[in-house]
Amino acid sequence: QKEVEQNSGPLSVPEGAIASLNCTYSDRGSQSFFWYRQYSGKSPELIMFIYSNGDKEDGRFTAQLNKASQYVSLLIRDSQPSDSATYLCAAQAPMDTGRRALTFGSGTRLQVQP
Amino acid sequence: DGGITQSPKYLFRKEGQNVTLSCEQNLNHDAMYWYRQDPGQGLRLIYYSQIVNDFQKGDIAEGYSVSREKKESFPLTVTSAQKNPTAFYLCASSRGGATEAFFGQGTRLTVV
Repeated sequence: QKEVEQNSGPLSVPEGAIASLNCTYSDRGSQSFFWYRQYSGKSPELIMFIYSNGDKEDGRFTAQLNKASQYVSLLIRDSQPSDSATYLCAAQAPMDTGRRALTFGSGTRLQVQP
Repeated sequence: DGGITQSPKYLFRKEGQNVTLSCEQNLNHDAMYWYRQDPGQGLRLIYYSQIVNDFQKGDIAEGYSVSREKKESFPLTVTSAQKNPTAFYLCASSRGGATEAFFGQGTRLTVV
């Protein structure tokens, strides 16, 4: 089974610091990657997605993709206590597989200390 | 407002009972999905549907059934064959050719 792996954490950073969340995936054919934020007891919210190698920035968030290393990361700049949540990485298989559903990692819990 | 509505928010099931979780979307999305989340775990795919009247098993389909008679609706039935149904159930949808999925608020199912 194709897998997406994340360190469960918790990752603890001080307020204002950069939080770096990492994810690896086993299906080399995966084409699209997603980061979701999930607060305790709530449903996941999409933060951003990335298709191409390199960096993609959206406000305080930067997603990084390295397909050769099968590695995805999410950087959160100027971390705030409100960023404290579990961050889920997800991968999508190529269109020719017929399976468009996302495969999720188990998530990394981030704690931002005031 | 466009969105995905799951109901009920909390559901209690007795042993040996079938229960149905509702999922409705008004986003005009072609694809819909059901995931299960256990405490401290990621999301595992139960079933998905990419078009009306068609659906496929995900990674943990045993003990579950679905239907997709309307584009807007994708109900999930948790049958008595599912031996450990206590979990957080999440419904999601996405446009057919596009990729990002959006989630409903979830249903928390507990066996009593």
